[in-house]
Amino acid sequence: AQSVAQPEDQVNVAEGNPLTVKCTYSVSGNPYLFWYVQYPNRGLQFLLKYITGDNLVKGSYGFEAEFNKSQTSFHLKKPSALVSDSALYFCAVGGGYQKVTFGTGTKLQVIP
Amino acid sequence: NAGVTQTPKFQVLKTGQSMTLQCAQDMNHNSMYWYRQDPGMGLRLIYYSASEGTTDKGEVPNGYNVSRLNKREFSLRLESAAPSQTSVYFCASSSGTGIYEQYFGPGTRLTVT
Repeated sequence: AQSVAQPEDQVNVAEGNPLTVKCTYSVSGNPYLFWYVQYPNRGLQFLLKYITGDNLVKGSYGFEAEFNKSQTSFHLKKPSALVSDSALYFCAVGGGYQKVTFGTGTKLQVIP
Repeated sequence: NAGVTQTPKFQVLKTGQSMTLQCAQDMNHNSMYWYRQDPGMGLRLIYYSASEGTTDKGEVPNGYNVSRLNKREFSLRLESAAPSQTSVYFCASSSGTGIYEQYFGPGTRLTVT
């Protein structure tokens, strides 16, 4: 069975500082990894995904994620946080024809 | 291009009542999903439809039924609502399962008293 862990319920970062939201995964076979963002009272929005290739994936709104196979991690990063980045972030893993499994989410709070 | 639409946005039910949540997508996607979101639990898959004509159980299917009416529409039915089904329900769609990103609707906030 595949699974995703987001070890931090909440991450606080000052505006302008770099941010990292952590994700580790477990899946048999090749992992397909995703990040989504949810703003209050909205549905989830796709940010980026890793299927194969370059370990650094670039996505929407200046976000990027680093795939590390040896550490089974897929951490979300941004060089300079904005107050508007404050939201709930979900990591997800899928594989082949399997459905996607979501993590429990990490609340990002960017402090002005 | 509306993406994924859900109706209703809000609903209050009494225990034992039934209702159907409607979902439609206009992106010609093959796969559709129903999730529930509860505090601290993340998103949990209720049912999904990998393609038109097929439906499969997800992680928490008990108390729910689904119908893939056509390629565009995927409905979720609560036959006899229970307070444990109080949640926010999201519909999503994707080109296919597994490697494809999903597109989500705005959600339905359901309260069962």
